[in-house]
Amino acid sequence: EPEVTQTPSHQVTQMGQEVILRCVPISNHLYFYWYRQILGQKVEFLVSFYNNEISEKSEIFDDQFSVERPDGSNFTLKIRSTKLEDSAMYFCASTGKASYNSPLHFGNGTRLTVT
Amino acid sequence: RKEVEQDPGPFNVPEGATVAFNCTYSNSASQSFFWYRQDCRKEPKLLMSVYSSGNEDGRFTAQLNRASQYISLLIRDSKLSDSATYLCVVNSIGNAGNMLTFGGGTRLMVKP
Repeated sequence: EPEVTQTPSHQVTQMGQEVILRCVPISNHLYFYWYRQILGQKVEFLVSFYNNEISEKSEIFDDQFSVERPDGSNFTLKIRSTKLEDSAMYFCASTGKASYNSPLHFGNGTRLTVT
Repeated sequence: RKEVEQDPGPFNVPEGATVAFNCTYSNSASQSFFWYRQDCRKEPKLLMSVYSSGNEDGRFTAQLNRASQYISLLIRDSKLSDSATYLCVVNSIGNAGNMLTFGGGTRLMVKP
């Protein structure tokens, strides 16, 4: 079964540094998402991306965050200047359709630790 | 009011027991509903979609009550491997269609 893959599995960075989290969505999918989960809390929507642009973003996704699909296969999330509160699991997801009942396929996540 | 609300548990049950989880959601315009399962420090995995007429998948039965904005999941004959956190997930209306809103999850522990 095709999978969404994410790298690295764990990233440790110092406060103020830039990080890039990488995702390879399922190859024929067209809609891409980032979610995050702070330890012990619920999964939260960050951003959705379609046709090379952001479709929707949450309040969390401020100007410190950006997304890109640089080469048609990778989908990246960049945090420009990390804060301690950015420490979380970051999950990439993709789907082939935007219909309301299409389930999302999640990657195995990148655990970001900001020190 | 939280958008998607669940009892966090934990529910501690013996193997073979039947257990039910409930969930309420606040957005009456929500279109789609799902139960996801999440193991510790892993990604959410789709367990099942929830349809208006109710639906069953093996030992799992999901029900939706739109009037009460209430979703349930019933697990029969629970197995040790069912131990996980069960996430109630609702699709919020957005431009991309799939902006999911997650509940905080209900933790299930099945004991031998």
